[in-house]
Amino acid sequence: DQQVKQNSPSLSVQEGRISILNCDYTNSMFDYFLWYKKYPAEGPTFLISISSIKDKNEDGRFTVFLNKSAKHLSLHIVPSQPGDSAVYFCAASLLNAGNNRKLIWGLGTSLAVNP
Amino acid sequence: SQTIHQWPATLVQPVGSPLSLECTVEGTSNPNLYWYRQAAGRGLQLLFYSVGIGQISSEVPQNLSASRPQDRQFILSSKKLLLSDSGFYLCAWSFRGGGVGEQFFGPGTRLTVL
Repeated sequence: DQQVKQNSPSLSVQEGRISILNCDYTNSMFDYFLWYKKYPAEGPTFLISISSIKDKNEDGRFTVFLNKSAKHLSLHIVPSQPGDSAVYFCAASLLNAGNNRKLIWGLGTSLAVNP
Repeated sequence: SQTIHQWPATLVQPVGSPLSLECTVEGTSNPNLYWYRQAAGRGLQLLFYSVGIGQISSEVPQNLSASRPQDRQFILSSKKLLLSDSGFYLCAWSFRGGGVGEQFFGPGTRLTVL
């Protein structure tokens, strides 16, 4: 049972336009959400996070929106650049019984930004 | 600052051979440590995590095992590799306890089992 879903395996946008990557979740106990970017043959790198008590967090060209009632979040990249071409993973954070945090990962969306 | 090292970067092994992948973290103490696998075209699958020396939790039944002989060292092993063990293996660490739960990843090891 996939608790974090990224329903679009791939997305293609033109350079300069907006990229919107979507993520849905099922567990209302998740209290933080994170976005990671991954290039081929490299480890994922952290991009941006949002607390479940917020509805928006912005960092430069990257903005994450959270709609808690819909259990939906999205990552907006504006303007998109060719260097943004990568796989983007959505992850949800949960505090477990041992007071340690666990990340539940989506399957990723491959973004291609065309010059 | 903290850094995480993984080696080797690439590995080609025959079916039935043993495996040992090593991961070390510098610049932090008492980290949580993780091993993930990314199969071709798939997401990140958590294999093992550790909250302390000798403490290993397995997420999925499999042909692999993990050990944590020192605070900042995490080893992924197999006695006999299967074809299905091929993939991209990632080690990660996080701070112990609360916070957001952000994990920091190493560069990964590409394992091909032939």
